[in-house]
Amino acid sequence: GQNIDQPTEMTATEGAIVQINCTYQTSGFNGLFWYQQHAGEAPTFLSYNVLDGLEEKGRFSSFLSRSKGYSYLLLKELQMKDSASYLCAVRDRNSGAGSYQLTFGKGTKLSVIP
Amino acid sequence: NAGVTQTPKFRVLKTGQSMTLLCAQDMNHEYMYWYRQDPGMGLRLIHYSVGEGTTAKGEVPDGYNVSRLKKQNFLLGLESAAPSQTSVYFCASSYSFGGNQPQHFGDGTRLSIL
Repeated sequence: GQNIDQPTEMTATEGAIVQINCTYQTSGFNGLFWYQQHAGEAPTFLSYNVLDGLEEKGRFSSFLSRSKGYSYLLLKELQMKDSASYLCAVRDRNSGAGSYQLTFGKGTKLSVIP
Repeated sequence: NAGVTQTPKFRVLKTGQSMTLLCAQDMNHEYMYWYRQDPGMGLRLIHYSVGEGTTAKGEVPDGYNVSRLKKQNFLLGLESAAPSQTSVYFCASSYSFGGNQPQHFGDGTRLSIL
């Protein structure tokens, strides 16, 4: 199985930068996704990493270190609308039956305050 | 721009009743998934399908059945509902398992079992 850890909650100030960490343990790493989920809504795709390094997409960036089993999501110039849960999800090629199962962390609830 | 559509959005059942949750996608995706999301837990995979006419068990399949008679539809059935199945159910679809193809989620079905 897999073990994915994220902080449960974080609070940050509007206009600031926040980093949300995700650590994982897996035997057949095959990619890591970040999703955003506003309360009562569907998760929506933010970013994907499969190689080490930083992927930048506007105000959001995601970093991966496969050797450390570590990723982070960096949100810049925080806005009130960024208040949401952020889900880290790891794909494992060894999840059984030759499939590539996506396993989600419990999510980090980010509150952006004025 | 429908994407993934789930019906119903809300439902209350009594213990022992049965029901079917419907999921439809208009993106011509091969892969479809059913997840449940509970407080303090990550999204957990119930069943998935890699194409029309196929289904497979995920992490928490007990008490659920699925069918994929048409490529665009994926049905989740509860034969005899139990209070432990009170949850928010999300359907998702993707173009493929591998690569950078994300899963696209529906808005969820909030199910309460009394």
